[in-house]
Amino acid sequence: AQKVTQAQTEISVVEKEDVTLDCVYETRDTTYYLFWYKQPPSGELVFLIRRNSFDEQNEISGRYSWNFQKSTSSFNFTITASQVVDSAVYFCALKQGGSEKLVFGKGTKLTVNP
Amino acid sequence: KAGVTQTPRYLIKTRGQQVTLSCSPISGHRSVSWYQQTPGQGLQFLFEYFSETQRNKGNFPGRFSGRQFSNSRSEMNVSTLELGDSALYLCASSLAGHQPQHFGDGTRLSIL
Repeated sequence: AQKVTQAQTEISVVEKEDVTLDCVYETRDTTYYLFWYKQPPSGELVFLIRRNSFDEQNEISGRYSWNFQKSTSSFNFTITASQVVDSAVYFCALKQGGSEKLVFGKGTKLTVNP
Repeated sequence: KAGVTQTPRYLIKTRGQQVTLSCSPISGHRSVSWYQQTPGQGLQFLFEYFSETQRNKGNFPGRFSGRQFSNSRSEMNVSTLELGDSALYLCASSLAGHQPQHFGDGTRLSIL
């Protein structure tokens, strides 16, 4: 069975602090995809990043960076120099190859205070 | 390029009624998935349609059904509504395969 665990329920930081959101996943599949989505108060889920199980290259995109480690089944997400507009609920999700079903974690609510 | 459009945005129904929600995917996307989001259960997969065929179904009772039309637009129907069906229903479309799903704003359904 597939499972995604986001142990951090809520995180509160002050603007300009760096913040890392943790994600641990479980799957028996060798081909799978990992995603991060952001859900602002308005409700829509905004796609941020995708990684497949064969690509452990980590990436930096502006203030965002991702750390994918298969050895620990983790796919962590870091926001550098956080801003108030980053306040949202962040979801980590897992999809097995050959299926469109996304399995989501419970989400981490990030509050960035001015 | 227009995003995923869901209608209506808000719905209020009473127990026992039925409801139909609509989703128009991003142009060119043939895969449409539906999810239910509640505070207690989080985001849960309902079903996925591709070329008018249901390919995957989540663990929901038969009261939840859906369909997809030839233009890839999709509808989901919930019959005999229960209080526990109150949720945000999200639709997502994708090119399928390894491509990400893009979500609509959702329909917030309240059951009185």
